[in-house]
Amino acid sequence: EDKVVQSPLSLVVHEGDTVTLNCSYEVTNFRSLLWYKQEKKAPTFLFMLTSSGIEKKSGRLSSILDKKELFSILNITATQTGDSAIYLCAVPNAGGTSYGKLTFGQGTILTVHP
Amino acid sequence: NAGVTQTPKFRILKIGQSMTLQCAQDMNHNYMYWYRQDPGMGLKLIYYSVGAGITDKGEVPNGYNVSRSTTEDFPLRLELAAPSQTSVYFCASKTGPQETQYFGPGTRLLVL
Repeated sequence: EDKVVQSPLSLVVHEGDTVTLNCSYEVTNFRSLLWYKQEKKAPTFLFMLTSSGIEKKSGRLSSILDKKELFSILNITATQTGDSAIYLCAVPNAGGTSYGKLTFGQGTILTVHP
Repeated sequence: NAGVTQTPKFRILKIGQSMTLQCAQDMNHNYMYWYRQDPGMGLKLIYYSVGAGITDKGEVPNGYNVSRSTTEDFPLRLELAAPSQTSVYFCASKTGPQETQYFGPGTRLLVL
């Protein structure tokens, strides 16, 4: 059974701090790993990672995948209060189908104080 | 495009009542999904569909049913509501197996 574990489960920082969120996974037939940001409503897509060592960046957010260690990190530099959210990591299930069902981690609740 | 829409936004049900959560997308996506998210937890897959007329169970299907008579709509049915079904329900869709899922705004359900 595919498994995704995120850490820490919650994190409280002050504006300007840099945070690193972790995601480890165990899946058969790995294809990709996705990061989502969830504020008050639906998750919104951040990154999709497929190759080891290639950093994806979007503004102050960046993410990288290590397929050997089965691990990904999401970095947020110079955090702002608007970064407060739940950050979800997910991997599509494979299992010989291409239905793309996602297995999600528990999420990391990030709170950024002014 | 409206994207993925869900109705209602919020509903309170009594134990044993039935209801249908509506989900629609106007992006012509074949793949559609229903998730539930309990407080402090990630999303768990309830049912999914890879096209009109085709549905299959996810991780937590018990107590739910779905149908997919059109590409656009993917309703989720609760037949006998139980307190354990108190959750936030998200519908999602995508165009193909390698693509990103787009989520609806969610339906918050409280069963008392």
